[in-house]
Amino acid sequence: EDKVVQSPLSLVVHEGDTVTLNCSYEVTNFRSLLWYKQEKKAPTFLFMLTSSGIEKKSGRLSSILDKKELFSILNITATQTGDSAVYLCAAKSYNTDKLIFGTGTRLQVFP
Amino acid sequence: GAGVSQSPRYKVAKRGQDVALRCDPISGHVSLFWYQQALGQGPEFLTYFQNEAQLDKSGLPSDRFFAERPEGSVSTLKIQRTQQEDSAVYLCASSDRDRGLGGYTFGSGTRLTVV
Repeated sequence: EDKVVQSPLSLVVHEGDTVTLNCSYEVTNFRSLLWYKQEKKAPTFLFMLTSSGIEKKSGRLSSILDKKELFSILNITATQTGDSAVYLCAAKSYNTDKLIFGTGTRLQVFP
Repeated sequence: GAGVSQSPRYKVAKRGQDVALRCDPISGHVSLFWYQQALGQGPEFLTYFQNEAQLDKSGLPSDRFFAERPEGSVSTLKIQRTQQEDSAVYLCASSDRDRGLGGYTFGSGTRLTVV
């Protein structure tokens, strides 16, 4: 059965810290991996990764995919209180159009 | 519209009651998805439409759950004879890519509480 596992489940840091969120996957006929940020409302799209070793960057956030070891990381540098949210990782295969989500990592950033 | 719109935002139902949740996707988006998100969990796939065709309903947990998208735009998720385990946030997402790689746009969800 396809699955996505995220770690840690929860993370508490101070403003300015750097954090790394992990996502491992086991998906038949893997196609892409997506990261979302979920505050109280809708998950908002951050990154989509399809190729190994190519870092995607957006401001203080960056992400990379390792298709050999079947994982991805999301890095956030110089964290701010506005980064507090649940970060969801999801995988997609060529077999289906649905996303398979992990449980999420809850990040809390304190001043 | 500018985003995916879901209504109602909150719904409290008595056990055994039927509910209907509405999703209005981004105009022109071909694909529409329903997910169920229990507290502290990631979203779980329920069903998927491409235009008006329901291509995958493998995630619907029981025959009490029914979804439709008759004209290929607005979709309704209906839950009959609600039970407490149906309490969750129901998320709708749409995409303009037919089996493409693009990210989905999610609505804000309907929080269903069954009492």
